Amino acid sequence: EPEVTQTPSHQVTQMGQEVILRCVPISNHLYFYWYRQILGQKVEFLVSFYNNEISEKSEIFDDQFSVERPDGSNFTLKIRSTKLEDSAMYFCASSWTSGNTIYFGEGSWLTVV
Amino acid sequence: GQQLNQSPQSMFIQEGEDVSMNCTSSSIFNTWLWYKQDPGEGPVLLIALYKAGELTSNGRLTAQFGITRKDSFLNISASIPSDVGIYFCASNTGNQFYFGTGTSLTVIP
Repeated sequence: EPEVTQTPSHQVTQMGQEVILRCVPISNHLYFYWYRQILGQKVEFLVSFYNNEISEKSEIFDDQFSVERPDGSNFTLKIRSTKLEDSAMYFCASSWTSGNTIYFGEGSWLTVV
Repeated sequence: GQQLNQSPQSMFIQEGEDVSMNCTSSSIFNTWLWYKQDPGEGPVLLIALYKAGELTSNGRLTAQFGITRKDSFLNISASIPSDVGIYFCASNTGNQFYFGTGTSLTVIP
């Protein structure tokens, strides 16, 4: 069964460093998403991406965050200058159409020290 | 953002018992999804609902999309130890999906 894959599974970084999280969405999906989950809390929406541009973003997704689809398969989330409070599990997701069922990757656990 | 109120927050049940949890909102949604999340892993889709009143089953799981489009419930029948985890409801406006606060389920053998 097709699945969303994410790398790395776990990354430890120093505060102020840049981090790039990578995702390969399901191949025929058109909509891509990043969510995050702080330990013990609910999953929170960060951004959705369609047709090579951001379609929606939350208030969490500030200027420190950016997304890119550098080629036909990868979808990346960049955090420019990490803060301690960026420590969370980051989930990539994809869907075939807008508002359709979204499928999640296994997550990338980011620890900022 | 939109608020999805999920209850109960946690449940401790004996193996074999049935479980019911629900999600409510003050907003109308077009989709209700139910996910299960095991520790350290991503949410896994259990059931997707697309029409008001829709009742869908997936094995021992049954979920319904409320008629008012503001709520949904998930039932698990005859629980087993591997049902342990956190269950999230989710719904969307446009491309943005919102998640409930989760129901933590513990099944006691």
